[in-house]
Amino acid sequence: EVQLVESGGGLVQPGRSMKLSCAASGFTFSNYGMAWVRQAPTKGLEWVATISYDGSSTYYRDSVKGRFTISRDNAKSTLYLQMNSLRSEDTATYYCTTGNYFFAYWGQGTLVTVSS
Amino acid sequence: DTVLTQSPALAVSLGQRVTISCKASESVSSSSYSYMHWYQQKPGQQPKLLIYHASNLESGVPARFSGSGSGTDFTLNIDPVEADDIATYFCQQSWNDPYTFGAGTKLELK
Repeated sequence: EVQLVESGGGLVQPGRSMKLSCAASGFTFSNYGMAWVRQAPTKGLEWVATISYDGSSTYYRDSVKGRFTISRDNAKSTLYLQMNSLRSEDTATYYCTTGNYFFAYWGQGTLVTVSS
Repeated sequence: DTVLTQSPALAVSLGQRVTISCKASESVSSSSYSYMHWYQQKPGQQPKLLIYHASNLESGVPARFSGSGSGTDFTLNIDPVEADDIATYFCQQSWNDPYTFGAGTKLELK
């Protein structure tokens, strides 16, 4: 059974940093592209970033370019999202997902609240 | 960005056929594939993939779900609607950068 378990969310002040992790199991992690998708409270879904199966290629939405970094450790079957210079508009539940074009499996999400 | 427009809500009766539409502001199809996908989300849960590349049913998803369309106009059909299908449905495109989602269509019972 595919499992994606996010961690690292919480309350953070504007301008500070936070790193999210996603532990994957139940599939061959190193064979799949991975992504982060977020959802602001009571809002819709927003793609954040994607990383290729081997980590050689990364893609970001404009609003997080230069602030967020997606990375992976295939030996640990873990996906990361380093978030710097956080803003109030980054407040959302962050989901770890599998896939390059569509997102077949999703974690339960971790809530990031950016507030002073 | 490619804007995906969905009706905010639809009232349905159990057992009927329902069509949820998604209109893209520009084409999301190549000559080979349509890069439009559909998800279901229930309150407090993560989204669940239903349909990928416009018409392909994800493994384990009931056959009462189907998808169609190309270019800018896409539909998700549920026939017949069951009580477990009351949820919010999102379309998502992955042909144009950045990937975008529709705002969601909430199915409600009449």
